[in-house]
Amino acid sequence: QKEVEQDPGPLSVPEGAIVSLNCTYSNSAFQYFMWYRQYSRKGPELLMYTYSSGNKEDGRFTAQVDKSSKYISLFIRDSQPSDSATYLCAMRPVSGGYQKVTFGTGTKLQVIP
Amino acid sequence: EAGVTQFPSHSVIEKGQTVTLRCDPISGHDNLYWYRRVMGKEIKFLLHFVKESKQDESGMPNNRFLAERTGGTYSTLKVQPAELEDSGVYFCASSPRTTGELFFGEGSRLTVL
Repeated sequence: QKEVEQDPGPLSVPEGAIVSLNCTYSNSAFQYFMWYRQYSRKGPELLMYTYSSGNKEDGRFTAQVDKSSKYISLFIRDSQPSDSATYLCAMRPVSGGYQKVTFGTGTKLQVIP
Repeated sequence: EAGVTQFPSHSVIEKGQTVTLRCDPISGHDNLYWYRRVMGKEIKFLLHFVKESKQDESGMPNNRFLAERTGGTYSTLKVQPAELEDSGVYFCASSPRTTGELFFGEGSRLTVL
């Protein structure tokens, strides 16, 4: 069983829709949770960064962490065609830094104008 | 400010040949990481430099892979001799601190025939 599970999609939504992207994980040591956006032929770029449980909002993006269920989500409100990309969840324990980060396989999102 | 740059963007070689990938991190970033994504799989850690010193190379697949970071600036990742399973996208990332934001390059796509 993978430590991090993420539905690869693709997920296709109309412009303006609310998008929900999710990951589940099995390692209870994970404390830092990240969402990266990756455009085609580009490198991942950090979108959201959350420590432990709770919600974090940044503009149209909201990240949620439910440690009791080992489930994290990224919500995108008022989705735009420019949001079309692959979204990667990533997580790591408190100690060890980025050498201990575990990525999901990514969900490909397409926002239709 | 220039981001993380990687060269070449795509390399096609035959099994048994040698390839050297180069990464120029963001100026001033002491931490440099190499990751790899094999098709259909998640991004996985290969190794971590702090300045010119290898801090962690636990993710390196085998001794056909050799990474260096000359003078704590750019880094190279050499694969010799290349095997079919080495095909994938090799990402370099840098960070000013071990727990700061990771900045990824666009990746070097390696195809071994």
